[in-house]
Amino acid sequence: DTAVSQTPKYLVTQMGNDKSIKCEQNLGHDTMYWYKQDSKKFLKIMFSYNNKELIINETVPNRFSPKSPDKAHLNLHINSLELGDSAVYFCASSGGLGEQFFGPGTRLTVL
Amino acid sequence: QQPVQSPQAVILREGEDAVINCSSSKALYSVHWYRQKHGEAPVFLMILLKGGEQKGHEKISASFNEKKQQSSLYLTASQLSYSGTYFCGTEGGSARQLTFGSGTQLTVLP
Repeated sequence: DTAVSQTPKYLVTQMGNDKSIKCEQNLGHDTMYWYKQDSKKFLKIMFSYNNKELIINETVPNRFSPKSPDKAHLNLHINSLELGDSAVYFCASSGGLGEQFFGPGTRLTVL
Repeated sequence: QQPVQSPQAVILREGEDAVINCSSSKALYSVHWYRQKHGEAPVFLMILLKGGEQKGHEKISASFNEKKQQSSLYLTASQLSYSGTYFCGTEGGSARQLTFGSGTQLTVLP
């Protein structure tokens, strides 16, 4: 019954590695997002994806790439991980008015 | 540009009221409010569309002054369960991308 799910919940990895975070929503929404929440709780949008249209926040490094195999999934792939990438990453999808439904989050720790 | 929230933190006793403000320097299409408890995901509370309407959710309500580009969240007779960090999110264009404020940490004590 989970509306927006993410895996894994925790991810610990070494600098330089490549990792992916998966996201799935069963709400039938057309738009999905990735957010980054840093240690100061600042919630920043990284990407939005709607009907194959990708909108990228210009401050996001190109090491980050979203991949959407279908409307219900939006995965996040990160290349060459850096210490500053450590954060909680939230996937979300939006309803008719734009209200956001967040997944439980993935806590990424880069060592 | 990130909306400005105030106060940054507030401590209340159960039953007291609180107001959290959110202001933007640009024209807004809508304002969203979310609550995040420690270790959890943000949860949608309400959305206000331009038009100055006021909405309510249990004892939590909000207003949106389109001309001033400001929104306020009102928590009435606060309960312990209201504790958490409250974020406003503003939408200024057609891309449905939200820009979130820095959050207001609300603590309700018994």
